[in-house]
Amino acid sequence: SQTIHQWPATLVQPVGSPLSLECTVEGTSNPNLYWYRQAAGRGLQLLFYSVGIGQISSEVPQNLSASRPQDRQFILSSKKLLLSDSGFYLCAWGLLGSPLHFGNGTRLTVT
Amino acid sequence: AQSVSQHNHHVILSEAASLELGCNYSYGGTVNLFWYVQYPGQHLQLLLKYFSGDPLVKGIKGFEAEFIKSKFSFNLRKPSVQWSDTAEYFCAVLRGGGYNKLIFGAGTRLAVHP
Repeated sequence: SQTIHQWPATLVQPVGSPLSLECTVEGTSNPNLYWYRQAAGRGLQLLFYSVGIGQISSEVPQNLSASRPQDRQFILSSKKLLLSDSGFYLCAWGLLGSPLHFGNGTRLTVT
Repeated sequence: AQSVSQHNHHVILSEAASLELGCNYSYGGTVNLFWYVQYPGQHLQLLLKYFSGDPLVKGIKGFEAEFIKSKFSFNLRKPSVQWSDTAEYFCAVLRGGGYNKLIFGAGTRLAVHP
């Protein structure tokens, strides 16, 4: 069966520090991969999605970037965190036209 | 702008009351529609989905949703809610035609009182 791993579960980082959140999927090949940010009252905002290795689409201009170095690995990064980057980040995978499966999320607090 | 709108941000009901959560989208063409639920402290779970066929879709835990194409709506319903339905509910739209983006509404936080 397919599983999705996302880590860390919580993270506290100072302003200006770098960020790296990792997500891996098991049990499927060539999935579509997604990074969402969930903020209270704003639902889930799509940040990045990828349909294949090295293929990244950015939805919202911001201080973050994403990479897909392997088929089932999706990384969310920042060179310098801002206070406004605080939030709950969710990784998800899916196949074309099918529902998404979400990881447990990472709560990021930038201080 | 293309979007997914959920009309109610917070809903408070008593047990056994009926529920209807509104969802409208602004995309033209073929869409796949979803309702996700997030129970307190848990991750997102799929409640139900519509791809094609019967516009009245039945999901888990007694939920159903009706796709009305002319109204660009996909409202979620449950005839009689329970305390355990307390959660946040998200409507989402996946555009057809090879698009891979699942766009979510802002969510509706439902509180059911015993």
